[in-house]
Amino acid sequence: EAGVTQFPSHSVIEKGQTVTLRCDPISGHDNLYWYRRVMGKEIKFLLHFVKESKQDESGMPNNRFLAERTGGTYSTLKVQPAELEDSGVYFCASSQAVGNASPLHFGNGTRLTVT
Amino acid sequence: GQSLEQPSEVTAVEGAIVQINCTYQTSGFYGLSWYQQHDGGAPTFLSYNALDGLEETGRFSSFLSRSDSYGYLLLQELQMKDSASYFCAVRPNTGFQKLVFGTGTRLLVSP
Repeated sequence: EAGVTQFPSHSVIEKGQTVTLRCDPISGHDNLYWYRRVMGKEIKFLLHFVKESKQDESGMPNNRFLAERTGGTYSTLKVQPAELEDSGVYFCASSQAVGNASPLHFGNGTRLTVT
Repeated sequence: GQSLEQPSEVTAVEGAIVQINCTYQTSGFYGLSWYQQHDGGAPTFLSYNALDGLEETGRFSSFLSRSDSYGYLLLQELQMKDSASYFCAVRPNTGFQKLVFGTGTRLLVSP
């Protein structure tokens, strides 16, 4: 079973530019999550998709962040325009079931550096 | 809201036993999970405590006490490969499915 894959693994952009991150969840996983870890701090929730619908986007920092999951398969997270404080590691995770014991399967993350 | 505190760093030697604590302030949650993350890698699920008590999975054990707002991860027979960051996490009983992670503990295992 292929794991969660994220692309790119690294991205370096200048302030004001746009970046789009992609996540391919494990096949058959309806639940897809985006998380972010900034400056080695805790892993913070951004949003949760169930299939193509946004179930919870309470963690999105502001309207410069836009997540989509057209067709309920892969997802993209776009940052436009990027700011310095957006630097960090963006993780995608997926899970098959919705349940309290259902573990999240994470990708290796995209390390974003905004200069 | 939810807040989970962990020690920032723990050091130990190979073969030793180490305990990583997680203290929390939360209005309610379904259970306590633990994840491991090696540098540059993906966080991976280690264990889940739905109820108070001890759960054992090989060299790793996890404990939860809701009355004490406290949990821990116990790693036995430490190996160099256990050097990683460890995160506790809860799923708040708000009707949503997000996990809220702790501040993370970096474990350094030396020879």
